Amino acid sequence: DQQVKQNSPSLSVQEGRISILNCDYTNSMFDYFLWYKKYPAEGPTFLISISSIKDKNEDGRFTVFLNKSAKHLSLHIVPSQPGDSAVYFCAANTGNQFYFGTGTSLTVIP
Amino acid sequence: EAGVAQSPRYKIIEKRQSVAFWCNPISGHATLYWYQQILGQGPKLLIQFQNNGVVDDSQLPKDRFSAERLKGVDSTLKIQPAKLEDSAVYLCASLGGVPSETQYFGPGTRLLVL
Repeated sequence: DQQVKQNSPSLSVQEGRISILNCDYTNSMFDYFLWYKKYPAEGPTFLISISSIKDKNEDGRFTVFLNKSAKHLSLHIVPSQPGDSAVYFCAANTGNQFYFGTGTSLTVIP
Repeated sequence: EAGVAQSPRYKIIEKRQSVAFWCNPISGHATLYWYQQILGQGPKLLIQFQNNGVVDDSQLPKDRFSAERLKGVDSTLKIQPAKLEDSAVYLCASLGGVPSETQYFGPGTRLLVL
């Protein structure tokens, strides 16, 4: 049972433009939603999170939006940079249990 | 602050052989996770420890996989005997003792079973 879903396996964006990565979930009991970034041959690194009681969290170029009624969240990166090219995983947690999506590979074209 | 350490980074074995992976979490982190990540998929939880006790091992194939965290610090994950479908990256992550929403991952061990 996939509780967190990322339906787009890949995304290509021009440098300087906005990247929008999407994620859907099924469990309304999740406490936090997180985005991780993963480079090849490295473990995922935490990028940004949002509490289930908020609808937006911003950190520099990265903004996460949460739409609880639609059970949907998105990560906006603006402006996109070539160094942002990586696989992005959406995750959700309840208590100390984490559930991951399948990832979206972002390519930022110079 | 030192991160999560894992070794080895890469391992190639033949099917039916055994293999062991080691993880040392961030100092003071009580919760430790082992994940299996197959190419093109998200991390799948194998086992979760709280100190030296198992919290969740419902997705651990117990006929061939075992894990321990005897002193509540570092942990080992073993596969015996390995199958071709065990080829994956094995990720270890830890979580602090205070309420926290994020895990910290090690670099992973890439296993290839031939």
